[in-house]
Amino acid sequence: NAGVTQTPKFRVLKTGQSMTLLCAQDMNHEYMYWYRQDPGMGLRLIHYSVGEGTTAKGEVPDGYNVSRLKKQNFLLGLESAAPSQTSVYFCASSYSPGADNEQFFGPGTRLTVL
Amino acid sequence: SQQGEEDPQALSIQEGENATMNCSYKTSINNLQWYRQNSGRGLVHLILIRSNEREKHSGRLRVTLDTSKKSSSLLITASRAADTASYFCATAGTDSWGKFQFGAGTQVVVTP
Repeated sequence: NAGVTQTPKFRVLKTGQSMTLLCAQDMNHEYMYWYRQDPGMGLRLIHYSVGEGTTAKGEVPDGYNVSRLKKQNFLLGLESAAPSQTSVYFCASSYSPGADNEQFFGPGTRLTVL
Repeated sequence: SQQGEEDPQALSIQEGENATMNCSYKTSINNLQWYRQNSGRGLVHLILIRSNEREKHSGRLRVTLDTSKKSSSLLITASRAADTASYFCATAGTDSWGKFQFGAGTQVVVTP
């Protein structure tokens, strides 16, 4: 099993450009999450999904959109990138909504917005 | 605001020594988890402790939870250079629906 994979690994954007980050998991997990990690801070939840076709806002959703058209994929979109969105983005998945379940993380996408 | 706050922010020890880090949180939780992050990598789950548990062990890891003080500690015994990483606590609230809040982490450096 590949676990959780993220594409791309690195990206540089100019202010105002758009892009989509792709997260894929092969563990048949229901829950998927997008986080951002900034220096000196923990992970902050951007959006999450409790199943195919459903999404919900997390702690810092502004400037991002997400879609979960297939159970195994969770896409994070930036419509008009801003320098404040420079960060490392992590996708994660977990088996069930139960808080007892661990999250499995992807390797991250390092995004720089100039 | 972040639910979990780790202390210390950074820790430097020598191989063979024990490393202890603490996590404090603010609201009621279902469980508390600890994760490790090696430089440039994603987070890896280490251990979960439920709100009705006080102590848990996994290999060289020992986690305690004090819900009255809203705090947890992670002890790594007989540390190795490979334990060099950042360690994060994550809390799942009683109404979390599977959402977790992460602290800022403790950066641990173990020198040979």
